[in-house]
Amino acid sequence: KQEVTQIPAALSVPEGENLVLNCSFTDSAIYNLQWFRQDPGKGLTSLLLIQSSQREQTSGRLNASLDKSSGRSTLYIAASQPGDSATYLCAVRGKTSYDKVIFGPGTSLSVIP
Amino acid sequence: EAQVTQNPRYLITVTGKKLTVTCSQNMNHEYMSWYRQDPGLGLRQIYYSMNVEVTDKGDVPEGYKVSRKEKRNFPLILESPSPNQTSLYFCASSSLGTGVTYEQYFGPGTRLTVT
Repeated sequence: KQEVTQIPAALSVPEGENLVLNCSFTDSAIYNLQWFRQDPGKGLTSLLLIQSSQREQTSGRLNASLDKSSGRSTLYIAASQPGDSATYLCAVRGKTSYDKVIFGPGTSLSVIP
Repeated sequence: EAQVTQNPRYLITVTGKKLTVTCSQNMNHEYMSWYRQDPGLGLRQIYYSMNVEVTDKGDVPEGYKVSRKEKRNFPLILESPSPNQTSLYFCASSSLGTGVTYEQYFGPGTRLTVT
């Protein structure tokens, strides 16, 4: 059964730092992996999606990488800002596009001005 | 505007009183899904649907029903709600066509309290 973990559970950094969030999954047979952010009491906002055949995706200050063989993905945030404070979630979709989606528990990020 | 809508946004009900939470998307997506989010347990998939009349169980389907009679709608039915179904519920959708990103788009959430 697929299990997804995220490290660290919480992170507090000063504004301007570059940071890395980690996502690990136990079954490397995934279709894709998606990163989301969730603000307190709000819904989920999609950040980046990486297909299983891809190694990385970039959007602005965000870069996500995927190493399927080792069951790991990282989300790199450059030059962090207070507005980046949120919970970051990764989610893996099973072997096909029609499969289940399993979420990690999230990393709560606080960027201090 | 492309969106996933859910209704109601907030609901307080009593044990055993049947309820339906509606979900609708205007993006012509094939894949739709329901999740619940609980403190300490994260987001867990309840049911998902690959297209009209095609549904499958997620990790926590007990106590829930779904139907997919139209492509745009995917209601979540609690026939006899219990207090352990108190949670924050999200609906999501994504495309399954070729040449698409398969990104999931989420609704705003429905906060359900069962007393």
